[in-house]
Amino acid sequence: AQKITQTQPGMFVQEKEAVTLDCTYDTSDQSYGLFWYKQPSSGEMIFLIYQGSYDEQNATEGRYSLNFQKARKSANLVISASQLGDSAMYFCAMRERGSQGNLIFGKGTKLSVKP
Amino acid sequence: NAGVTQTPKFQVLKTGQSMTLQCAQDMNHNSMYWYRQDPGMGLRLIYYSASEGTTDKGEVPNGYNVSRLNKREFSLRLESAAPSQTSVYFCASTQDRSNYGYTFGSGTRLTVV
Repeated sequence: AQKITQTQPGMFVQEKEAVTLDCTYDTSDQSYGLFWYKQPSSGEMIFLIYQGSYDEQNATEGRYSLNFQKARKSANLVISASQLGDSAMYFCAMRERGSQGNLIFGKGTKLSVKP
Repeated sequence: NAGVTQTPKFQVLKTGQSMTLQCAQDMNHNSMYWYRQDPGMGLRLIYYSASEGTTDKGEVPNGYNVSRLNKREFSLRLESAAPSQTSVYFCASTQDRSNYGYTFGSGTRLTVV
């Protein structure tokens, strides 16, 4: 079974609008971390945001926020006020305490921002 | 600049040839990783090294070997390249229990013909 599921292979959003990228995860660990990475067409992996399983508040970093719903095992990324430069692949990842700290990635969502 | 440096950036191999992908980090991280990225598959872990002198298999280790030469360097070797190993390879490193995930290298695009 997949540990990280991203159900949206591709999405479109109008410039300046908000967009939510979905991510659900599967773990039996109580302690884990959830991450989002951005991969633009140039190919590098850029860390965006982190949420710990014990964090009570949703993580925010500038225009990025993580909608963490622990009971539903979801960790959706919300990008506010989309910009053309947000067009990229976005990967959700999880790091379990019981997996020696290895990051497990979802298959990604390709976001396209329309002017 | 601090970070993870991978070489080469691009490589074309013939089936059966061997090569080593090099990776070095200057952040004094303990853990280092090799991933491959294929279209529609996300990133999959090939091998990792939790500390100098130790290496372990990840999800897709077949056809690869690794060496943790010292704390800074972690190399990935293809002994006999196959077309199925055509992929983009990423090296990454992290401190233990980091809240910031991994720092990635810029990737190596490998084509095996």
